[in-house]
Amino acid sequence: GESVGLHLPTLSVQEGDNSIINCAYSNSASDYFIWYKQESGKGPQFIIDIRSNMDKRQGQRVTVLLNKTVKHLSLQIAATQPGDSAVYFCAEAHPPGNQFYFGTGTSLTVIP
Amino acid sequence: DTAVSQTPKYLVTQMGNDKSIKCEQNLGHDTMYWYKQDSKKFLKIMFSYNNKELIINETVPNRFSPKSPDKAHLNLHINSLELGDSAVYFCASSQPGVGTDTQYFGPGTRLTVL
Repeated sequence: GESVGLHLPTLSVQEGDNSIINCAYSNSASDYFIWYKQESGKGPQFIIDIRSNMDKRQGQRVTVLLNKTVKHLSLQIAATQPGDSAVYFCAEAHPPGNQFYFGTGTSLTVIP
Repeated sequence: DTAVSQTPKYLVTQMGNDKSIKCEQNLGHDTMYWYKQDSKKFLKIMFSYNNKELIINETVPNRFSPKSPDKAHLNLHINSLELGDSAVYFCASSQPGVGTDTQYFGPGTRLTVL
């Protein structure tokens, strides 16, 4: 349903520090997960994905960790830069249909 | 080249009107989607559609209807607009089964109902 009454979680980090954004997903049948970045006034943009047969996946400056036991997903951004400031969403997909269900998002602000 | 495009970018209209938002993708994807993002950034899927199947989120009012003239287009028609329809609407597309199921999003259409 709608996120009435919920506030967008926020995270502020100093430029150059590492950032960790967390996400709890709801469906134990979910087998595919994606992290998206949404900058102000733009649509969500793919960052990195991971399938449920993996625990960790690394990209350029980003790492996604998946803990299926506690249904938890995290996105680690190394050496955070001002351009990383955005809202980050995790999304889960599961059969049938493999539609994506998005989390509430986390607003990351990088302090120069 | 813009992969997924939407028009208009902004839409301001009166309650009770009927409006459409257009979406086009030049990625050759088979599946397209419409999402609604509310003021708190919550992103909810409304429809997914390919040339075989329309999947409707059961919470979406039937005033909303997707129309697909061809594989590259999925337009969103909204009848009898209500104040609560004010939101940003995103179109997306994907090609499931080619390594990733990632969706590519358009820039969004900000709808304001007065």
